[in-house]
This record gives sequence, C-alpha cells and structure tokens, in this order.
Amino acid sequence: LAKTTQPISMDSYEGQEVNITCSHNNIATNDYITWYQQFPSQGPRFIIQGYKTKVTNEVASLFIPADRKSSTLSLPRVSLSDTAVYYCLVRYSGGYQKVTFGIGTKLQVIP
Amino acid sequence: GAGVSQSPSNKVTEKGKDVELRCDPISGHTALYWYRQSLGQGLEFLIYFQGNSAPDKSGLPSDRFSAERTGGSVSTLTIQRTQQEDSAVYLCASSFAVLAEETQYFGPGTRLLVL
Repeated sequence: LAKTTQPISMDSYEGQEVNITCSHNNIATNDYITWYQQFPSQGPRFIIQGYKTKVTNEVASLFIPADRKSSTLSLPRVSLSDTAVYYCLVRYSGGYQKVTFGIGTKLQVIP
Repeated sequence: GAGVSQSPSNKVTEKGKDVELRCDPISGHTALYWYRQSLGQGLEFLIYFQGNSAPDKSGLPSDRFSAERTGGSVSTLTIQRTQQEDSAVYLCASSFAVLAEETQYFGPGTRLLVL
C-alpha cells in the first residue's frame, strides 16, 4: 500500500488560492490519487481524482508531476465554507485494497 | 433515497452490551465499506463487501466485530461486548463497483459512545 504524507494543518485567508501537497513516494504504476473533503460531523466527500498530469473540475484542480511521487490539490479562491479536513489517498486500480485515510490536512479559512 | 443512510445517528451504550449499526447504500451500488473514525483521527478501514461477500476482513479490530450484508443492499456492523475504546464514529460508504477509481459515497455516520 502506498503511504501518503500531507501537512497536518494549513491556514488561508478568504479569496486566496490554497495548494495542499501530498507525498506518495512508493506509488505504484496502477495506483490512482484521490482527494476527499470532510466537514465536521459529516462523512468524507469526493473532490477529485487523477492518474497523471492535471485534472480539473468545478471544485478543484489536481496537479500530478511526471514521476507521480506527489500531488497537489489546488482550491481556487477559498471561502469560509471550504474550512474542512482534506484527505489524500492512493488507491490500487486493480481491485480494492484496504485503505486508511490518515489524519488529513485541516484547512482553516480565515475571514 | 439519494444517498447513503446510516442508523442510528447516535448510540450511547454501556460497556459490555452489544450494538448493531445499520447502513443503507445507494441503490445499485455493489460495493459497501465500513470505516471507523476516532476523535481527531483519520478514517480506519474495517471491512468491505462486494455484493454479499466480504473478501477482506483483516481490518476488523477484534473478533467482537462482525458485519454482514444481505440482498446486496443493507449492511449491519455488530459490535459485541462493547468496550470504551470502541467509542468512535462509524462510517459507511458505497460505490458502484469495487474498483479503486470508483467514487465512494459516504453516509453521515453513527456516533457510538460506550460508557
């Protein structure tokens, strides 16, 4: 299982772009990179997923360099409602492996 | 319903009692997952189902924990002889298939407190 490392916490002001980087040095060829968001007292919610290069949706962008040993979740112009915990996961595409979300990155958006 | 539902939303029990936690996945989702989240911690994988089968039970913390799924739909997580360390939020998720690239949709969780 690929191990992921991400900052425990980050602070940002409203309106700024936030980038959260996740390291996954032992990512395997068939692994996907997935990010989830969790608000207090709620279950995690899928944000974005990618395999390589750049993926963008209406919520965020995901940048994955060529070696895929890290990935960066980019949230444009954050608002107070983006305050949450963000989890980076590496998941094997050949089936299902036991996945542990880790502690995640607690993002605090400041007015 | 439109999403994953779990019941009860909160459960307070006494040490040594058994509890049952229920998960109703999104209709048509063949895969179902159980996680546990202790206060201030990340999510710990417990078990997953593909249809009614549970290929990987290695995440269950002890033999006091068991889970079943019937009719490829509802799942029940049972904790026997509860201990205080079992206090946590138990989250259920479902996905269309058991593939890494399939999005998991989570329920709101059951908050279990063992006194």
